[in-house]
Amino acid sequence: ETGVTQSPTHLIKTRGQQVTLRCSSQSGHNTVSWYQQALGQGPQFIFQYYREEENGRGNFPPRFSGLQFPNYSSELNVNALELDDSALYLCASSPTGTRSYEQYFGPGTRLTVT
Amino acid sequence: GEDVEQSLFLSVREGDSSVINCTYTDSSSTYLYWYKQEPGAGLQLLTYIFSNMDMKQDQRLTVLLNKKDKHLSLRIADTQTGDSAIYFCAETAGRRALTFGSGTRLQVQP
Repeated sequence: ETGVTQSPTHLIKTRGQQVTLRCSSQSGHNTVSWYQQALGQGPQFIFQYYREEENGRGNFPPRFSGLQFPNYSSELNVNALELDDSALYLCASSPTGTRSYEQYFGPGTRLTVT
Repeated sequence: GEDVEQSLFLSVREGDSSVINCTYTDSSSTYLYWYKQEPGAGLQLLTYIFSNMDMKQDQRLTVLLNKKDKHLSLRIADTQTGDSAIYFCAETAGRRALTFGSGTRLQVQP
């Protein structure tokens, strides 16, 4: 059974550009959550997807958007990048049923905005 | 809103026990977690406790929950150099957003 994977590992973008980050959930997990972790801080919740629908959102502007696909993989899109968007972006997948409160994280994508 | 607080740094000697503390403010928290993050890596789920429990033990890890004081602790017995990392406390009132603390850096000295 493979764990949560994310791509790319690192990314450098220019202010104003758009970026797409990808996540493959752990096998059998149908819920995916995205978090932003700034340097020296804990992760901050961006949003969650369950069965291809947004299932909750944190305090992030609409230029942060997402998708979940039928195979439960997911994308995070960020438009009009700002310098403060530089961070580690983490996705986490959750299993179904009685263990649905568990979140398993991928290794993250390090985004640098210049 | 919800808030989770942790001390920034803890240093222990190899073989000693480590105790990492966390306080939270959300009285509706139902699940409380401990995650470990090594440099340049994602977060590893170490253990979690349901809010109706006082204690949970899992090999070298012991979690204590004082719901009245909203205080959570993680005890690592026989701490090893491989335990050096940042430890995050997190809570949720449901199955959606986790609210994390800022992390405690554990340094294990040989």
